[in-house]
Amino acid sequence: ETGVTQTPRHLVMGMTNKKSLKCEQHLGHNAMYWYKQSAKKPLELMFVYSLEERVENNSVPSRFSPECPNSSHLFLHLHTLQPEDSALYLCASSQVLGVTNEKLFFGSGTQLSVL
Amino acid sequence: AQKITQTQPGMFVQEKEAVTLDCTYDTSDPSYGLFWYKQPSSGEMIFLIYQGSYDQQNATEGRYSLNFQKARKSANLVISASQLGDSAMYFCAMRVRNSGNTPLVFGKGTRLSVIA
Repeated sequence: ETGVTQTPRHLVMGMTNKKSLKCEQHLGHNAMYWYKQSAKKPLELMFVYSLEERVENNSVPSRFSPECPNSSHLFLHLHTLQPEDSALYLCASSQVLGVTNEKLFFGSGTQLSVL
Repeated sequence: AQKITQTQPGMFVQEKEAVTLDCTYDTSDPSYGLFWYKQPSSGEMIFLIYQGSYDQQNATEGRYSLNFQKARKSANLVISASQLGDSAMYFCAMRVRNSGNTPLVFGKGTRLSVIA
């Protein structure tokens, strides 16, 4: 079983749909993250959770709504998205938040296409 | 503010040859960490190597080594004896001590293609 699992791998949705992305980590980590990866742009941090509490929200539009019910699971709820939201959404986890040498473990991502 | 710059959008290397991927960074914090990640076509970001700002020696992990030049603020990744499986996107990233809750900041990446 891989350390960080994301489902679904691919998602196509219309602008009026509501969908959710799921992330599960099996590493016993305390911090989880959502990143957005668009073509030809650096990875953009969206949300940070530490011990199930949201600690960072990088000016993300309200059509993206995160949820962290426990330290192993992280969701990203999507509603009324725009075509420019099409991207690869990556989930990551780390042991703790705030340590300089703390490396992130990533899932394989959800490739989202908004029509 | 933290910034990572990768100036090579794409690189080609012959199989079994060595290749250097460039990374420069900008921060005023004296305490920071530098990371390299590999992203194959499957999408997963795979950690390769880490260098701390106070580390005296360049980091090495198998065929990967990090050429850390602190005064020039560069942290280039060297891959020795390239293999076809090394073809992927490579991202340089940084975390500074006083960045609060912000984890890694990434560069735009370099696409490496290994040619047989």
